[in-house]
Amino acid sequence: GAGVSQTPSNKVTEKGKYVELRCDPISGHTALYWYRQSLGQGPEFLIYFQGTGAADDSGLPNDRFFAVRPEGSVSTLKIQRTERGDSAVYLCASSQQPTAYNEQFFGPGTRLTVL
Amino acid sequence: AQKVTQAQTEISVVEKEDVTLDCVYETRDTTYYLFWYKQPPSGELVFLIRRNSFDEQNEISGRYSWNFQKSTSSFNFTITASQVVDSAVYFCALNKDTGRRALTFGSGTRLQVQP
Repeated sequence: GAGVSQTPSNKVTEKGKYVELRCDPISGHTALYWYRQSLGQGPEFLIYFQGTGAADDSGLPNDRFFAVRPEGSVSTLKIQRTERGDSAVYLCASSQQPTAYNEQFFGPGTRLTVL
Repeated sequence: AQKVTQAQTEISVVEKEDVTLDCVYETRDTTYYLFWYKQPPSGELVFLIRRNSFDEQNEISGRYSWNFQKSTSSFNFTITASQVVDSAVYFCALNKDTGRRALTFGSGTRLQVQP
């Protein structure tokens, strides 16, 4: 079956602009996670959804970052007034249930470059 | 707080050599789950194995084996008879039943297998 998909695969933007990154999880997976991976580092948690609601957004670095999942499937990560420090690969993952036991399946990521 | 340490930043071996990737973790929870993921050059994280904190049995899957030792808080990964296709970045990660249900990753070990 189809895995987690993310669009766009690459996004180049200018400092101060607004960007949206999209994640399409595996069908039927109730939990959806966003992570950010900087060069040479492991992924760092940003936010996770259980259904339509954000169950934990404590990893979002500041209020310029926001994410939604209005119908419990596709999610969009939104970044306002982008800064050069936001440049990273943004990874989305989904799991069947929002439990620590379930493995998370990752998408290919969106590489964001802020000039 | 929980933490995962992968002290080996990069390892280079020649094909057919055995190689062990180290992972040390810290958590105060008694129930937790440990994972290994592979990130090949294409960038997509691939799930390899999950272990729960109550199961210290070692596991073997083909050329891969995992050694979980609670006494030393380690979950090491061995590749036997390495192959060029094993070249990737390998991440160890931890999740727990309480609080945030998201993976805490180590910084990864880059494995290069030379022909």
